Amino acid sequence: TQLLEQSPQFLSIQEGENLTVYCNSSSVFSSLQWYRQEPGEGPVLLVTVVTGGEVKKLKRLTFQFGDARKDSSLHITAAQPGDTGLYLCAGGSNDYKLSFGAGTTVTVRA
Amino acid sequence: EAQVTQNPRYLITVTGKKLTVTCSQNMNHEYMSWYRQDPGLGLRQIYYSMNVEVTDKGDVPEGYKVSRKEKRNFPLILESPSPNQTSLYFCASSLGGRSYNEQFFGPGTRLTVL
Repeated sequence: TQLLEQSPQFLSIQEGENLTVYCNSSSVFSSLQWYRQEPGEGPVLLVTVVTGGEVKKLKRLTFQFGDARKDSSLHITAAQPGDTGLYLCAGGSNDYKLSFGAGTTVTVRA
Repeated sequence: EAQVTQNPRYLITVTGKKLTVTCSQNMNHEYMSWYRQDPGLGLRQIYYSMNVEVTDKGDVPEGYKVSRKEKRNFPLILESPSPNQTSLYFCASSLGGRSYNEQFFGPGTRLTVL
């Protein structure tokens, strides 16, 4: 059983469209991270959120941490082919333990 | 360039033949860990190390060994590999090891055990 559930598992959209990826759990997390992984490479950190209700923006990417710190979302505005990749959320359940979701594969078609 | 390196990148072996996957980081990070990535299961932690000579089990340690004799190196050892250890393996390091610290991942090692 996955501690963190990501949805959807796969997402294919046209360039210029918006998309949202969700990360949900029944557990409370002290922190939540989003990573992006491209084929043949390791994951790369996009953002860390630590406060319930926190919203962070990184250019066209908007990250939100739920008020109860059990869920998070990643929204991409006007997606570009360069946004294609596997998006992973990772929750910190105590100071040193990090649990990853299975990931959402995003494909942006030109 | 700050990086985590792993070798080999690809490995095909047979059941029972001992192998070692090396991992090295040049960022002077205290914390290092090993993950395996399988379709539909995400990244699962195998072992981690808080510092030199300090290692501990992650979520799926069975069939694996690690050592941390130097700060920069954290090899993963499979004493007797089995087909269920066929997977994509990642080494990662971070400055402090806390869950909110950024983890820097290596490029991955794709292992196939026949």
